[in-house]
Amino acid sequence: DTAVSQTPKYLVTQMGNDKSIKCEQNLGHDTMYWYKQDSKKFLKIMFSYNNKELIINETVPNRFSPKSPDKAHLNLHINSLELGDSAVYFCASSLAGVDEKLFFGSGTQLSVL
Amino acid sequence: AQTVTQSQPEMSVQEAETVTLSCTYDTSESDYYLFWYKQPPSRQMILVIRQEAYKQQNATENRFSVNFQKAAKSFSLKISDSQLGDAAMYFCAYRSAGSSNTGKLIFGQGTTLQVKP
Repeated sequence: DTAVSQTPKYLVTQMGNDKSIKCEQNLGHDTMYWYKQDSKKFLKIMFSYNNKELIINETVPNRFSPKSPDKAHLNLHINSLELGDSAVYFCASSLAGVDEKLFFGSGTQLSVL
Repeated sequence: AQTVTQSQPEMSVQEAETVTLSCTYDTSESDYYLFWYKQPPSRQMILVIRQEAYKQQNATENRFSVNFQKAAKSFSLKISDSQLGDAAMYFCAYRSAGSSNTGKLIFGQGTTLQVKP
């Protein structure tokens, strides 16, 4: 019944590895997002997709590549992980133009060693 | 660029009392949205309350209300009859109007609220 679900919840990996985080929403929303929360709890948008089309790309390194196979899914692939990538990554979704309410997933805590 | 500032890193309140969390923002825009989000220890981000800038009336949601002062660019959150479950980190957020900004929230640094029994 989870509205926005992310997997995995925790991810521990070595520097230089490639990893993916998956996100799915069952709310019928057409817009999905990735937000990053750093160690100081600061939240910042990374990407947004509307109906599988990239809308927002907030100067995120090329190592981060979002992929939206359909409007219910938005995955985040990270290449060549660096120590500074350690953070909590949140997926969110909304229905554009109808309601400003974002529904967030429970986050994926990524630790790069 | 717009910025959001929460000047209180931590606040505490006695159960059943009232507490106000402060938020100021900087923008040259006239049309925008403001939000308060709650992040409990579970990490889940939960929308508490939302305010449209063009509405003069302050938003309320049960025990939560805001004091929106557009000229002063201030957007404080008042929690009445505080409950233990209100303990969390609270984030103030800003969003420019316009469809291209849908979901693009600019967050403040957060305020950790402790509720004492």
